[in-house]
Amino acid sequence: GQSLEQPSEVTAVEGAIVQINCTYQTSGFYGLSWYQQHDGGAPTFLSYNALDGLEETGRFSSFLSRSDSYGYLLLQELQMKDSASYFCAVRGPTSGGSYIPTFGRGTSLIVHP
Amino acid sequence: DGGITQSPKYLFRKEGQNVTLSCEQNLNHDAMYWYRQDPGQGLRLIYYSQIVNDFQKGDIAEGYSVSREKKESFPLTVTSAQKNPTAFYLCASSVGETTNEKLFFGSGTQLSVL
Repeated sequence: GQSLEQPSEVTAVEGAIVQINCTYQTSGFYGLSWYQQHDGGAPTFLSYNALDGLEETGRFSSFLSRSDSYGYLLLQELQMKDSASYFCAVRGPTSGGSYIPTFGRGTSLIVHP
Repeated sequence: DGGITQSPKYLFRKEGQNVTLSCEQNLNHDAMYWYRQDPGQGLRLIYYSQIVNDFQKGDIAEGYSVSREKKESFPLTVTSAQKNPTAFYLCASSVGETTNEKLFFGSGTQLSVL
């Protein structure tokens, strides 16, 4: 199976930069995704890394190191609306042989003025 | 606009009752998924379907059942065998099973027990 570890909570001030880490264990790996979820809402896709390195999408960037089984989401120029939960998800094999995303427990990001 | 519609937003179940959560998508996606979300536990996979008339159990399928009679619909039934059904249920879809690095989620159904 798969397991993922990410911090339960991170706090930062408006305008700052914050990094949310994710380490994973999986018997097979096909990529790491990141999602944002506001309270009571639907998770929305942010970024995906299949290969090592940095992917940049506006204020958000995501990094992957397959040799370290590690990735992170970097949020720059934080805004109050970035306060939300952030989930990493790894595509790994299920008992049926399919590759389905398994999610971490999520990191609650609190942005202070 | 294309998307995934879940209904109802809130649902209450009496003891011993089966309830069905609706999930409809008009994205023309082949693959659909059901996840359960509990506070502090992230999202856990209940069932998934890669194609019409086929579905597979996820990590926590006990006490749940699904059907996939149409491409756009993937309803989830929470049976009386599920002893702890209170949770937030999320339906998702992807273009295909091999392109599920990006899931599209519905707005969820909060199920509570009376």
